[in-house]
Amino acid sequence: KAGVTQTPRYLIKTRGQQVTLSCSPISGHRSVSWYQQTPGQGLQFLFEYFSETQRNKGNFPGRFSGRQFSNSRSEMNVSTLELGDSALYLCASSLLSTEQETQYFGPGTRLLVL
Amino acid sequence: AQSVTQLGSHVSVSEGALVLLRCNYSSSVPPYLFWYVQYPNQGLQLLLKYTSAATLVKGINGFEAEFKKSETSFHLTKPSAHMSDTAEYFCAVSAGTGFQKLVFGTGTRLLVSP
Repeated sequence: KAGVTQTPRYLIKTRGQQVTLSCSPISGHRSVSWYQQTPGQGLQFLFEYFSETQRNKGNFPGRFSGRQFSNSRSEMNVSTLELGDSALYLCASSLLSTEQETQYFGPGTRLLVL
Repeated sequence: AQSVTQLGSHVSVSEGALVLLRCNYSSSVPPYLFWYVQYPNQGLQLLLKYTSAATLVKGINGFEAEFKKSETSFHLTKPSAHMSDTAEYFCAVSAGTGFQKLVFGTGTRLLVSP
């Protein structure tokens, strides 16, 4: 069974631009969560989607948004990029959305904002 | 709100020595606890999880962790370290919201030297 895949793996953007990251969950998984990892703030929850609906959102500004498609693939968008958005963005999937389930993580997309 | 604290941002051991990585949690509800490992330039891989079944949890690669409610701890151990264990380790707790949202500790970098 294929794991969680994320594209692209690496990305360089400049301040003010926008970016879209993609995540394909494990086949059959309906829940997709996004996390941001930075040296200063560590791993932080961005949002979670289940069956095309955003279930909850972390403490990030509105420039961060996402969506989920009917095939459970998810995209995350960041508009008006800032230097501080440079990070590793991790996507994780699970079968349903119960809190005791295991989340399986993808390799991440490393975003560098110049 | 749920949280985890990892004591020691860096731990160094010799190959063959005992590995002990500390994690204390704070939770107002019975927690679900996880240990993940991250190798350089990779995503997170689940080592083990506690979901209120057995208090001693065995994971992959010879790791195990014991849930101690009285001490609010979930320390990760391995009897004999191997150089391939060099990585960053994260303790995480489900936020008790009924859906998938992990709250991570700040991580512990483990270095195993020959």
